[in-house]
Amino acid sequence: GAGVSQSPSNKVTEKGKDVELRCDPISGHTALYWYRQSLGQGLEFLIYFQGNSAPDKSGLPSDRFSAERTGGSVSTLTIQRTQQEDSAVYLCASSLGGGAIYNEQFFGPGTRLTVL
Amino acid sequence: GEDVEQSLFLSVREGDSSVINCTYTDSSSTYLYWYKQEPGAGLQLLTYIFSNMDMKQDQRLTVLLNKKDKHLSLRIADTQTGDSAIYFCAEKAGNTGKLIFGQGTTLQVKP
Repeated sequence: GAGVSQSPSNKVTEKGKDVELRCDPISGHTALYWYRQSLGQGLEFLIYFQGNSAPDKSGLPSDRFSAERTGGSVSTLTIQRTQQEDSAVYLCASSLGGGAIYNEQFFGPGTRLTVL
Repeated sequence: GEDVEQSLFLSVREGDSSVINCTYTDSSSTYLYWYKQEPGAGLQLLTYIFSNMDMKQDQRLTVLLNKKDKHLSLRIADTQTGDSAIYFCAEKAGNTGKLIFGQGTTLQVKP
């Protein structure tokens, strides 16, 4: 079946512009996650949506970052007034659920963001 | 706070065993994971271990967990060139779904 998809695969933008990154999770998965992979920084948690609960935004690095999940499915990560340090690969993942029980997270291919 | 540490690079010869090590700080972690990332590809779950286990074996993969020392390792037997990739250790943070990842270990397998 279809996996997690992300668009665009690559995005080049100028410093100060806003960008939107999209994630389509696996159908039926109630949990959705955004991570960032920067060169030399490993994978960094950004935000987590679980069903209708309030999202866990504890990983967002600044108030320029926001995310929403419409209808419990598609999610958009928005970065306002982009800075060069925002350049990274943004990964989305989804799982059947979250919380205390084991749930494998399935990752999308990522969006490579380059801020000039 | 939560933190996961890994060594950054490991080089082995084809046919040897590889051992990738990881330390973590959150004693409430319920699950620990190993993910693999091949060049140009997404993250793929290799294996996981529940925190009340100390060993899990899956074909060529052996995961060892020392909960007292908060140390996790991944052993790959008979390492092949196709095993060359970046390997990430991750812990499930408390009662949430989010994963805390290490920086990744680049495994280079020489023929």
